[in-house]
Amino acid sequence: GQQLNQSPQSMFIQEGEDVSMNCTSSSIFNTWLWYKQDPGEGPVLLIALYKAGELTSNGRLTAQFGITRKDSFLNISASIPSDVGIYFCAGRGTSYGKLTFGQGTILTVHP
Amino acid sequence: GAVVSQHPSRVICKSGTSVKIECRSLDFQATTMFWYRQFPKQSLMLMATSNEGSKATYEQGVEKDKFLINHASLTLSTLTVTSAHPEDSSFYICSARGGTRAGEKLFFGSGTQLSVL
Repeated sequence: GQQLNQSPQSMFIQEGEDVSMNCTSSSIFNTWLWYKQDPGEGPVLLIALYKAGELTSNGRLTAQFGITRKDSFLNISASIPSDVGIYFCAGRGTSYGKLTFGQGTILTVHP
Repeated sequence: GAVVSQHPSRVICKSGTSVKIECRSLDFQATTMFWYRQFPKQSLMLMATSNEGSKATYEQGVEKDKFLINHASLTLSTLTVTSAHPEDSSFYICSARGGTRAGEKLFFGSGTQLSVL
């Protein structure tokens, strides 16, 4: 089946630093989604990507759909303490197909 | 954005009892909902796909008689953990598909923390 490798597994950064995380897959995806999950809560959708090469921003967040359709990255600029949480990438191979989730990146921001 | 409501947020029950978790799409119709299970600091594991008006599709290794799913309307899916045991303790999250086919997104409920004593 489809597999997603998300890295890094965890990050410890200072407030104000930029953050970058990425996901790679063993097969082609048609959709990439990036979520953030706070402790005890469900994941919240941050950015959705639907076309190879697409670059989309949401405030301080920027994500790109890789040109090969097998990877995606998420950047967070000028991190703040409330950015703390677990970030998941998710990919879908075909429309209305099941999502495959990455293992998650645990982000810790020190004030 | 679309809102998915899930409750209860937390439930503690005795071993052997059954627990029902509800998932509602509040401002859109969802013909398909998904149920996930998540262990601490791990990714989401898909348990089953809930289809309105038909039987749910379970992932390999998930007991359908243990985790009963009912999707009786376009806005409500329920997951019942039957005869719960301590090993069923986990964080359960539902999700629903929203948006047009071209801009399809998956929205999640806030999750239910189940603790079986």
